[in-house]
Amino acid sequence: GAVVSQHPSWVICKSGTSVKIECRSLDFQATTMFWYRQFPKQSLMLMATSNEGSKATYEQGVEKDKFLINHASLTLSTLTVTSAHPEDSSFYICSAREWTSGDNEQFFGPGTRLTVL
Amino acid sequence: DAKTTQPPSMDCAEGRAANLPCNHSTISGNEYVYWYRQIHSQGPQYIIHGLKNNETNEMASLIITEDRKSSTLILPHATLRDTAVYYCIVRGRDDKIIFGKGTRLHILP
Repeated sequence: GAVVSQHPSWVICKSGTSVKIECRSLDFQATTMFWYRQFPKQSLMLMATSNEGSKATYEQGVEKDKFLINHASLTLSTLTVTSAHPEDSSFYICSAREWTSGDNEQFFGPGTRLTVL
Repeated sequence: DAKTTQPPSMDCAEGRAANLPCNHSTISGNEYVYWYRQIHSQGPQYIIHGLKNNETNEMASLIITEDRKSSTLILPHATLRDTAVYYCIVRGRDDKIIFGKGTRLHILP
């Protein structure tokens, strides 16, 4: 089956530093990738959609300069949280959509837990 | 906004069938019903999806009413490992997935 990986699985950083999270589709080509954020006891919130080779589309209220998304290849997207602060501590989950003839299922990564001190 | 309504929580005895309802009264003709679940601190896991007909796979069955305004996910023999938040999602094939609040299913030993 389609597998999506994320790295790292967890990260702790100091306030003011930047953190990069990688999302990879391991056995399929993903023309579209999605980034979600989840706070404790809440549902997943879509942050942005990225298509390979083009700029990401951010959801309302998500700061594009703070959450930099790069989707440079069909198997890799990265999310960089710039100048992280404690309120950015969250569970970040990526998802990749596989395009095949007549199908476009979306598969999720295991998530990355970010803690900003 | 999510297009579905689900009960916030449900309990089910281990070994019994878990029936999770979902209302989607505003579903349009080209939208599918998808079910995902999220076990604590993991990414969502795809369960099943359907358009009009009932569907079954190795994990679950999906029963969609004839008017398509509601559906039920059935886990035939629930185990403790099925404890999770279950999300019912309505989307077109090209649409992004927007999560609602889901149903927190507790499997009781």
